[in-house]
Amino acid sequence: DTEVTQTPKHLVMGMTNKKSLKCEQHMGHRAMYWYKQKAKKPPELMFVYSYEKLSINESVPSRFSPECPNSSLLNLHLHALQPEDSALYLCASSQDEGTTEAFFGQGTRLTVV
Amino acid sequence: GESVGLHLPTLSVQEGDNSIINCAYSNSASDYFIWYKQESGKGPQFIIDIRSNMDKRQGQRVTVLLNKTVKHLSLQIAATQPGDSAVYFCAEKGLTGGGNKLTFGTGTQLKVEL
Repeated sequence: DTEVTQTPKHLVMGMTNKKSLKCEQHMGHRAMYWYKQKAKKPPELMFVYSYEKLSINESVPSRFSPECPNSSLLNLHLHALQPEDSALYLCASSQDEGTTEAFFGQGTRLTVV
Repeated sequence: GESVGLHLPTLSVQEGDNSIINCAYSNSASDYFIWYKQESGKGPQFIIDIRSNMDKRQGQRVTVLLNKTVKHLSLQIAATQPGDSAVYFCAEKGLTGGGNKLTFGTGTQLKVEL
């Protein structure tokens, strides 16, 4: 199984809503990532978890809150988002933080209204 | 700041021809340079990487060349097929002050014409 599964695939939320994005992998990978991708732009790193601990936070606003409940799961909690936060949110995993080959999910297409 | 960028936003090739996608980088401290492919509606997919102390690496139908003198990276795809149509990102990975990051460049759209 070389899949990274993200749910939901699409999400529309209001600026006062609270929602969560979920990501799951069963490859035994110990590094997991959240990226944000705007249309026609490259993915931008948001967070890195290594062995279930937050390793990198790329100065992401606090309205985005990551959580790693166990080695297979990664969540991104969303609260009080802005319309400019609308984007494709990609989850990825890799064997460890130093590995170059990351496996990406299909992403969650988020629209903030 | 440090950046990884691409020369051409769109590349059109005939099916069966070879494709060359170029990338310029500025972070000489990167440990690895990597190519990812992103098809429409999908997440990026790893293609090939090259360590910073190497000049060339070959995979199946793909070759990556690294020229450290001019800070240039290229991806060559042999006998380009319709399934190769995608956006190609170069990326770099290495330890920075903030940790071990995978940073993507701006992307090139490859269109394969039949």
